[in-house]
Amino acid sequence: RKEVEQDPGPFNVPEGATVAFNCTYSNSASQSFFWYRQDCRKEPKLLMSVYSSGNEDGRFTAQLNRASQYISLLIRDSKLSDSATYLCVVKGATTDSWGKLQFGAGTQVVVTP
Amino acid sequence: NAGVTQTPKFRILKIGQSMTLQCTQDMNHNYMYWYRQDPGMGLKLIYYSVGAGITDKGEVPNGYNVSRSTTEDFPLRLELAAPSQTSVYFCASSYHAGEETQYFGPGTRLLVL
Repeated sequence: RKEVEQDPGPFNVPEGATVAFNCTYSNSASQSFFWYRQDCRKEPKLLMSVYSSGNEDGRFTAQLNRASQYISLLIRDSKLSDSATYLCVVKGATTDSWGKLQFGAGTQVVVTP
Repeated sequence: NAGVTQTPKFRILKIGQSMTLQCTQDMNHNYMYWYRQDPGMGLKLIYYSVGAGITDKGEVPNGYNVSRSTTEDFPLRLELAAPSQTSVYFCASSYHAGEETQYFGPGTRLLVL
């Protein structure tokens, strides 16, 4: 089982719609969680951190479920510019990776007009 | 303030050739990282450095070497290129270890034939 697992998609979303997707992680002792965004043939960039109480940043909402070991990202009112691959990132995803970031393979989102 | 820069952007190597991927950051970050990204896979940590003169292996170090003689520079060396090293290589930096905000360079696409 991969340490950080994501549905690769693509999630095809009409402009203005809502899309949500999850990421599961295998180590219950993982320290913290993030979503990064990666545009096609570009470098990853931090989108937002994921806090235990859930958090919002504009149209983006991130949730953490420690009991079931998954995090989620919800995008409301999707824009064409939201088309990207969203990388789930876990700090301390394995027992020997304390302090290091483990990246999921990403979920591709395609927003269509 | 250029952030993290990488050269070259793209390179084709023959099997057995060697090359150095350059990485420079101007943010005075102590921590620097080299990742590789293969299709359908998450970023894998190759090597990292916690400061000038200090480097350590990541998850997939075989076939690579690094050095860190200055805070700014963190070159990655491939000694005997193999087709399995065909990948996109990203350099990143952060102020603290395992900090969620890692700043990535634009990447180097390497093809080994």
